[in-house]
Amino acid sequence: GAGVSQTPSNKVTEKGKYVELRCDPISGHTALYWYRQSLGQGPEFLIYFQGTGAADDSGLPNDRFFAVRPEGSVSTLKIQRTERGDSAVYLCASSLTSSGVTSTDTQYFGPGTRLTVL
Amino acid sequence: DQQVKQNSPSLSVQEGRISILNCDYTNSMFDYFLWYKKYPAEGPTFLISISSIKDKNEDGRFTVFLNKSAKHLSLHIVPSQPGDSAVYFCAASAVYTGANSKLTFGKGITLSVRP
Repeated sequence: GAGVSQTPSNKVTEKGKYVELRCDPISGHTALYWYRQSLGQGPEFLIYFQGTGAADDSGLPNDRFFAVRPEGSVSTLKIQRTERGDSAVYLCASSLTSSGVTSTDTQYFGPGTRLTVL
Repeated sequence: DQQVKQNSPSLSVQEGRISILNCDYTNSMFDYFLWYKKYPAEGPTFLISISSIKDKNEDGRFTVFLNKSAKHLSLHIVPSQPGDSAVYFCAASAVYTGANSKLTFGKGITLSVRP
């Protein structure tokens, strides 16, 4: 079956611009995660959705970052006034988790969106 | 402050031999541990996991060992194959103690398996 998909695969933008990154989770997966991977680092947690609501947004670095998941499926990560330090690969993952905020259900990752801020 | 540490950036082994990848953690709340494998231009792929109530979990050629007192885990791959060449990430979560499924990753280790 189809895995997690992310669009675009690459995004180049200029400092100060607004960008949107999209994630399509595996069909039926209720939990969705966003991570950011900078060069030479492991992925870092940004935000976690259970259904339509953000269950944990403690990883968002500042108020320029915002994410939505209005219908409990597709999610969009939005970054305002981009800075060069935002350049990274943004990874999305989904898992089956049907209830609660805790689960050992496997998180399946998409290929990521490589964001470059010039 | 790295809560999950993979101190060796790379490892090279001969095909057929054992690969041992190490990982240390500092957060006592972590109670569920995972290994992910990543090829270039792809997302991480789940490999194997272990909960803190166990000290060993095996799946085919892959075995993960957990030493809670030392806050250390390791991934053993036997026998190693050229297709195992990838970046391996150790990850942890506080699923039971912290009631949160978010993963904390190490920096990764690049494994090269020589034919």
